[in-house]
Amino acid sequence: EEQLVESGGGLVQPGGSLRLSCAASEFTFSNFWMCWVRQAPGKGLEWVANINQDGSEKNYVDSVRGRFTISRDNAKNSLYLQMNSLRPEDTAVYFCARRDRVILWSRMDVWGQGTTVTVSS
Amino acid sequence: DIQLTQSPSFLSASVGDRVTITCRASQGIDNYLAWYQQKPGKAPKLLIYAASTLQSGVPSRFSGSGSVTEFTLTISSLQPEDFATYSCQQDHVYPWTFGQGTKVEIK
Repeated sequence: EEQLVESGGGLVQPGGSLRLSCAASEFTFSNFWMCWVRQAPGKGLEWVANINQDGSEKNYVDSVRGRFTISRDNAKNSLYLQMNSLRPEDTAVYFCARRDRVILWSRMDVWGQGTTVTVSS
Repeated sequence: DIQLTQSPSFLSASVGDRVTITCRASQGIDNYLAWYQQKPGKAPKLLIYAASTLQSGVPSRFSGSGSVTEFTLTISSLQPEDFATYSCQQDHVYPWTFGQGTKVEIK
């Protein structure tokens, strides 16, 4: 079964850093774009960033651009999110997701279970 | 940024009911719209993509329609396992955005 497993969440003080990881299994990781999506407590989903197959193209939501960096290691079947200068409003469950292309359209069709990031003093 | 507005935000329904959720985009997004189901403490699950294409393995009671700025998700006969929050999402332009969610509760 295709699977994504996130790790690396935790409690961090405002201004601190955290690195999230997402381990992929049972599919050819290097063939797919990958994404990070977050959900603040009691709120809706928010797309954070995505990255293409070889890491040469990255896109970010404005609220994290310049603070967060998405990356991947295809040899390790892993996706990462380096989060710097963290703010209380970054508190959320962070999900990684696979982006699959179907002709002109894409879909986030495989999701991890999420890892919780809490930014608080 | 493209804003997606779902209506209603909350919906109370009974098993067997036909349920319709609307998602309106602030700008035209052709049919680059997906629908997700999420249960408490769980990851989202893809139901529909390209506005009307059913994801493999999703029951046929779920259907999607619409284009440009107005979209609907319909559950033809609500089942107990369908009580959840439903969200629309566009990937026509960056940043990708989600609707605020519609919570479907048991009446």
